[in-house]
Amino acid sequence: IAGITQAPTSQILAAGRRMTLRCTQDMRHNAMYWYRQDLGLGLRLIHYSNTAGTTGKGEVPDGYSVSRANTDDFPLTLASAVPSQTSVYFCASSTTGKANYGYTFGSGTRLTVV
Amino acid sequence: QKEVEQNSGPLSVPEGAIASLNCTYSDRGSQSFFWYRQYSGKSPELIMFIYSNGDKEDGRFTAQLNKASQYVSLLIRDSQPSDSATYLCAVSMDTGRRALTFGSGTRLQVQP
Repeated sequence: IAGITQAPTSQILAAGRRMTLRCTQDMRHNAMYWYRQDLGLGLRLIHYSNTAGTTGKGEVPDGYSVSRANTDDFPLTLASAVPSQTSVYFCASSTTGKANYGYTFGSGTRLTVV
Repeated sequence: QKEVEQNSGPLSVPEGAIASLNCTYSDRGSQSFFWYRQYSGKSPELIMFIYSNGDKEDGRFTAQLNKASQYVSLLIRDSQPSDSATYLCAVSMDTGRRALTFGSGTRLQVQP
């Protein structure tokens, strides 16, 4: 089934540890995104990639890094986790054609940093 | 001022009524506008997108856009309890970063 797969579904992580959230899509979408969702704050953009080999910073990039080695994969890495990074993380993808048809979202990763 | 503003709600309507969800945005360069529905514990799913001023209808849903007033709304006719969810408004530029900027969402409760 075409779509976006995120892993893990949930994780409890000790502060200071390194963690990579995985995101894979099979729709051949050029653009991919990482958002975090916190109560009352909505979805906030962390990093994005308009095409393989390029990445950019979003609204809240500090403490996170991404890479885009190919079209399908867009991993998000927390180099040294802190409790304020406790959140639900969503990966999304979209086309980059003339019309913007919106995102397809993954099912999310619930991360708790203790 | 947030770039995309929504009333957090909850907005409570009786079953069968029209639910009206509103959203304002600050960037006059915004070109594309989206409404997503998010059930508790689930990921957002796209309901409607609209690019031009006026109304766009899809089944029980109507999106309305007024670029001069920087206002976009979603009407849900014949509301059902299954419509109870959080509705997210999102806007984007069509050039440059293209990423969506989301409002914090309005929680809708449809009372049986």
